[in-house]
Amino acid sequence: AQTVTQSQPEMSVQEAETVTLSCTYDTSESNYYLFWYKQPPSRQMILVIRQEAYKQQNATENRFSVNFQKAAKSFSLKISDSQLGDTAMYFCAFRNNAGNMLTFGGGTRLMVKP
Amino acid sequence: DSGVTQTPKHLITATGQRVTLRCSPRSGDLSVYWYQQSLDQGLQFLIQYYNGEERAKGNILERFSAQQFPDLHSELNLSSLELGDSALYFCASSVRGREGLNEQFFGPGTRLTVL
Repeated sequence: AQTVTQSQPEMSVQEAETVTLSCTYDTSESNYYLFWYKQPPSRQMILVIRQEAYKQQNATENRFSVNFQKAAKSFSLKISDSQLGDTAMYFCAFRNNAGNMLTFGGGTRLMVKP
Repeated sequence: DSGVTQTPKHLITATGQRVTLRCSPRSGDLSVYWYQQSLDQGLQFLIQYYNGEERAKGNILERFSAQQFPDLHSELNLSSLELGDSALYFCASSVRGREGLNEQFFGPGTRLTVL
């Protein structure tokens, strides 16, 4: 079974600064998909960014980018120019190519301070 | 707005009771997934339906069951409720059942409180 670990329960960053959230996973699969979801206080789960394991190029979505290290099984999220609206729980998630379920990490609570 | 709707938003009930949570997927999505978010267990996959058929099962208790109807909406039935069933229940939908990137879009969730 796959496991996803987020080692930082809480983090804080000053507005306009850059922050990196860590995620590691364990799998024996060679092809899979990785995601970062944001859960603001409204509790809605919002997809932030996704990465296909067979793509070497790191995904980027505006201020959000990932550092995908397949050999190390690491998938970190970098948020540039942090904004107050980025305050939320962030979940790293794994989905293998054969299955359908998302396996989530325990989450990192990010606070952006003015 | 993801396009996935869930009703009700909040549900308060007593131990031993039975409740039904409803989910309508995005237009065109054939797959529906149910997840449970609790303080103890975090976010856990419960079950998936694809075009009316059960496709995958996760950590779903025997007291829980689900189904997907011909119009593709889904219901999650929780019976003999216990205090520990209090959680936020999410429904998600995707176009396909398995292949490819197959992004899942989440509904707003149903907050269940068992007293």
